[in-house]
Amino acid sequence: EPEVTQTPSHQVTQMGQEVILRCVPISNHLYFYWYRQILGQKVEFLVSFYNNEISEKSEIFDDQFSVERPDGSNFTLKIRSTKLEDSAMYFCASSGGGWGSSYEQYFGPGTRLTVT
Amino acid sequence: GIQVEQSPPDLILQEGANSTLRCNFSDSVNNLQWFHQNPWGQLINLFYIPSGTKQNGRLSATTVATERYSLLYISSSQTTDSGVYFCAVGEGTYKYIFGTGTRLKVLA
Repeated sequence: EPEVTQTPSHQVTQMGQEVILRCVPISNHLYFYWYRQILGQKVEFLVSFYNNEISEKSEIFDDQFSVERPDGSNFTLKIRSTKLEDSAMYFCASSGGGWGSSYEQYFGPGTRLTVT
Repeated sequence: GIQVEQSPPDLILQEGANSTLRCNFSDSVNNLQWFHQNPWGQLINLFYIPSGTKQNGRLSATTVATERYSLLYISSSQTTDSGVYFCAVGEGTYKYIFGTGTRLKVLA
């Protein structure tokens, strides 16, 4: 069964450093998403991406964040200068969304980011 | 934006018991999913159910979109059902709003 994969599973970084979280969405999906979950809290939407551009972003997704689809398979989230409050689990998701397919979102296993 | 409330926030069951989890949302939606977050933090798709009723083994779900709620039923619960159950509703095409979850613990 196709699945969303994410690397690394755990990333530890120092405050102020740049990090790139990587995701490989399901291959025939058209919509891609990043969410985050601070420990013990609910999952929060960050950004959606369709047709090589951002479709929607939340207030959390400020200028420190960027997304990219550098090739036909990868989808990345970059945090330019990490802060302690960026420590969270980051989930990538994808959905079909094309004509005749559903908007059901499939989530990857997450990357746990720890900023020290 | 859409508000999503889940109840109860915490639930403790004895193995074999049944339970109903509720998700209320404040506006009409065209997408709704239920997820189980396991102890390792993974979000497992349970149901994509913008309306109607679906069943998968011991789990079933019903969404009444016109009344803005969805229910998740767990029958004959097992210890492996423990974890957090999230309802997520679609706001527009491009994002899901998650509820605060129901934390379920099933005791052997």
